[in-house]
Parts: sequence; structure tokens; C-alpha cells
Amino acid sequence: DVKVTQSSRYLVKRTGEKVFLECVQDMDHENMFWYRQDPGLGLRLIYFSYDVKMKEKGDIPEGYSVSREKKERFSLILESASTNQTSMYLCASSPTTGNKETQYFGPGTRLLVL
Amino acid sequence: AQKITQTQPGMFVQEKEAVTLDCTYDTSDPSYGLFWYKQPSSGEMIFLIYQGSYDQQNATEGRYSLNFQKARKSANLVISASQLGDSAMYFCAMREGGASGTYKYIFGTGTRLKVLA
Repeated sequence: DVKVTQSSRYLVKRTGEKVFLECVQDMDHENMFWYRQDPGLGLRLIYFSYDVKMKEKGDIPEGYSVSREKKERFSLILESASTNQTSMYLCASSPTTGNKETQYFGPGTRLLVL
Repeated sequence: AQKITQTQPGMFVQEKEAVTLDCTYDTSDPSYGLFWYKQPSSGEMIFLIYQGSYDQQNATEGRYSLNFQKARKSANLVISASQLGDSAMYFCAMREGGASGTYKYIFGTGTRLKVLA
């Protein structure tokens, strides 16, 4: 079974703090993604990575950065957390080959920034 | 412009009846994939069904089927014989291919389905 794990299910941080959200997948997938999910807006892509040390901006990268030093791990960094970054963060991975391959999601991290 | 549109923010269906969740998409890429996911209140995203742009037949997975109308750019999810456990948020998504095997997935805003006993 494919497994995508995220470091925390719930996180509470203060405005201005640096926040790290970690994601690990165990299926040797090339592609990894970070989304945020907000009511009425669906899932919006923040960043994705298709290889180690490679990253591409998604639709809403402002205020975020990412790191992929190893194939299995993709980190999302909030350099200086703000209240408008309170959200559900979902990590996903997918292989490159295979047209039918879906993304596999982690359980999500609910981040509250006070 | 919205690439994936789900026009129904919420829907009700009676238990054991069928329900259709709408999804329209917009792409100029001839090769793309369409996915439906279910998200229960626990938050996990569960893959339901996939339709490829070149697939001739509509996809089916158990009680789920995808009504794929390519000319109309629609990919509606049909759930037959609804069960109480089908109550959840449903997302339509499209994968667009990129160079060097990169893919991007674009999601709709979701439809919240409530099955009534």
C-alpha cells in the first residue's frame, strides 16, 4: 500500500514563526505536491516537485517555500507565518509513468496561525 | 479562468437513489486525465475513478461511473444506490501533462453530498 505521511495532524503557531510541514512517501514516486484546502476554494496547488532538488511554483506560492533534498521527502516552509495561512495543508505524491496513476494523499495538517 | 468547474456546492440525495455530481473542464491539451476523489469528514482524500482523454468507454468502478462527454468537456460522476457512507465532499480533478513527464493536477471547488435516510 502506498503511504504518504505528514509530520503533524494539527499545528498551532504564532504570527511570524517559521513553520515546517514535512511529507514523506514510501513508493519511490518522482512527483510530490503541496496543496492548501480552504472552504469554497477546493484544493489549490502551492508548489510541486518532479525530482530531487527540483521545484515548480503552483498557483499560490507566495509566502511559501519548499525543499526536496531526498526523493521521499518534500517539505513546505512558511518563512513567517501569517493568520491568512491558517488552513488545511495536504501533501500528495504520484509516479511519472502510467496515465491512470492517481495522486496519493497524506492525511493532512490543520494549521492554525494565531 | 477556472479549469475545473463544479457548479453544485451542495446536494442532497435519498438513500438508495442515484445521484449525479457535475464537473466541466477546460484544457487545450489533447492528453489529459480526469479524476474524482471523495473526502469524508476525517479529511482523507480517497481516489474513486479515473477517465483518460483517449478512453472510448466511460469508466466504471463498482457503484461509481463517470459520464464522459468529451465534446462538451464534462465528466460527471454518477453514484448509484446511494448509501449513508457516501455523505462526503467530492472533488473533480484534471491532470495535464507537461514536458519531461511532469504533471499538474487541478481541482474543482468540490460538491458536498448529503445522503438522507
